[in-house]
Amino acid sequence: LAKTTQPISMDSYEGQEVNITCSHNNIATNDYITWYQQFPSQGPRFIIQGYKTKVTNEVASLFIPADRKSSTLSLPRVSLSDTAVYYCLVGQVIKAAGNKLTFGGGTRVLVKP
Amino acid sequence: DGGITQSPKYLFRKEGQNVTLSCEQNLNHDAMYWYRQDPGQGLRLIYYSQIVNDFQKGDIAEGYSVSREKKESFPLTVTSAQKNPTAFYLCASSAEWGTGGGNEQFFGPGTRLTVL
Repeated sequence: LAKTTQPISMDSYEGQEVNITCSHNNIATNDYITWYQQFPSQGPRFIIQGYKTKVTNEVASLFIPADRKSSTLSLPRVSLSDTAVYYCLVGQVIKAAGNKLTFGGGTRVLVKP
Repeated sequence: DGGITQSPKYLFRKEGQNVTLSCEQNLNHDAMYWYRQDPGQGLRLIYYSQIVNDFQKGDIAEGYSVSREKKESFPLTVTSAQKNPTAFYLCASSAEWGTGGGNEQFFGPGTRLTVL
């Protein structure tokens, strides 16, 4: 499983755009990039997933450059309720080994009023 | 409502006692997982199951045991052999085992176990 590196923490203010960059230099050809959000004392929640270029859903956008060695999660116009830990995961689903996810330490995002 | 339930939310046990954490899902998912989370840390995989009557060790299986007798249930037993059992335990499930794209995992609310 590819190792990921992301900032430990980030502060922002309500209404601003938050961009969290994740490095994954040894990403494999079949690897996808997935982001999860976790609030205190709750299970993580899937936010977005992508393979290359740009993916957008109602919650966030994911930007992946051509070399795929990094990715950026963009949260538009954050609110106080977006304060959480955000995890970047890289991996593939292998029939033999299964869908094993490796969660690093994540990025703690604090949104201030 | 479809989802994953874990019970209880908080659990206290004396040192040396085995304890079983419940995890039930009604999403009709084939795969289920158990993770452990320590304060300020990410999640670590304990066990996972691809299908009924089959399960595999994750990264930190020592001191834990599981069973998968029914598709919807994947209980985790924390045994007395687990040296530091106090943690937040999360159960998850996913559909379509083995498909491409890294299928999404759905998590339960977690059980916080404290061993006194």
